[in-house]
Amino acid sequence: EVQLVESGGGLVRPGGSLRLSCAASEFTFSSYNMNWVRQAPGKGLEWVSSITSSSSYIYYSDSVKGRFTISRDNAKNSLHLQMNSLRAEDTAVYYCARGGVGPTRENTFDIWGQGTMVTVSS
Amino acid sequence: QSVLTQPPSASGTPGQRVTISCSGSNSNIGSNTVNWYQQLPGTAPKLLIYSNNQRPSGVPDRFSGSKSGTSASLAISGLQSEDEADYYCAAWDDSLNGWMFGGGTKLTVL
Repeated sequence: EVQLVESGGGLVRPGGSLRLSCAASEFTFSSYNMNWVRQAPGKGLEWVSSITSSSSYIYYSDSVKGRFTISRDNAKNSLHLQMNSLRAEDTAVYYCARGGVGPTRENTFDIWGQGTMVTVSS
Repeated sequence: QSVLTQPPSASGTPGQRVTISCSGSNSNIGSNTVNWYQQLPGTAPKLLIYSNNQRPSGVPDRFSGSKSGTSASLAISGLQSEDEADYYCAAWDDSLNGWMFGGGTKLTVL
């Protein structure tokens, strides 16, 4: 079964750091663009970052640019999100989502993980 | 405030047809395709419609999508209780160079 499993969430103080991971299985991970999407408690979906299959192109939302870094390890079928200088407004469930094999703008998020909760609080 | 505008709520009775709108601009819906996601309570989102009007395998044909200019719509016919969920539109924005989601529409089946 095609699957994405996130890990690494938890409680962190404002200004702290956290590294999320997403393990992919049962598909050719290295062929797909990948994404992070978050959802604050009781709120809607917010796109965070995207990375193309070979890491050639990386995109960030303005709300996380300069603080978060997306990366991937195609040899280990894994996606990562390094989050620094965390703020209370970063509190959310973070989902990884599979994109497509073509240009990022034409992608769909067709497979989603179950999400990992990040809480930023003192 | 979302770049893509959806009504916060919609409702209908079983068997009815409901539509959910998604309004954008030339830099997003006007230039790129629209995808729709369904999020059942307590679960991860699920792809419902892609490329404006295409259904992934397994999605009932009760769900349909359309796009015209800078707006898109999701239609659900033969409404069922299990359709009660949050629905989100999404499109790439060429100006912001990123994905935009609508604010979401909570569908209630009365």
